[in-house]
Amino acid sequence: AQSVTQLGSHVSVSEGALVLLRCNYSSSVPPYLFWYVQYPNQGLQLLLKYTSAATLVKGINGFEAEFKKSETSFHLTKPSAHMSDAAEYFCAVSEGNAGNMLTFGGGTRLMVKP
Amino acid sequence: GAVVSQHPSRVICKSGTSVKIECRSLDFQATTMFWYRQFPKKSLMLMATSNEGSKATYEQGVEKDKFLINHASLTLSTLTVTSAHPEDSSFYICSAVDRTSFAYEQYFGPGTRLTVT
Repeated sequence: AQSVTQLGSHVSVSEGALVLLRCNYSSSVPPYLFWYVQYPNQGLQLLLKYTSAATLVKGINGFEAEFKKSETSFHLTKPSAHMSDAAEYFCAVSEGNAGNMLTFGGGTRLMVKP
Repeated sequence: GAVVSQHPSRVICKSGTSVKIECRSLDFQATTMFWYRQFPKKSLMLMATSNEGSKATYEQGVEKDKFLINHASLTLSTLTVTSAHPEDSSFYICSAVDRTSFAYEQYFGPGTRLTVT
């Protein structure tokens, strides 16, 4: 069975500050890990994904995440927050390959203060 | 990138009626589609896995007779909410898997907001 825990349902940062959204996973097999962003009343947009290649994954909009097997973590970071980054972020895991069902974390709402 | 569409984007229906939501992969064939449900300010929960040409696989606790899923072609899956009730109001999101790519990419639709009055 697989599961995802996102620590912090709400994170608030100032514009220009570091963004750190935490994600820990549990998986019985080597996982595929994803970060998605959701704007109000919209679907999910893929930010980045880990598929057993490089442990440091770079995504769109300046985001990156590092897979740490020893910590079972896949935290999302961005060096400098922008107002347009305010949204809901979901970490997800699938087992076997990226086309299998996804198990999502509870989501983290990122707020960016001017 | 590949595009998945959903129709309608919003629907309001009366309690007791049925509503059909379509999920289409526009530029690839999807042998597998997933249906998720998202409650307000909550995460996405998998409802069922839709496989082309076979019966859908439902997650525990999801009523298959209430949420009818049909995947009759490689580009279309439909979710029908039968005898809808206010508690069925939710945001329904589908995803489609492109198995032609080595990486088995999964693409999400924009979602359908269902409100049952």
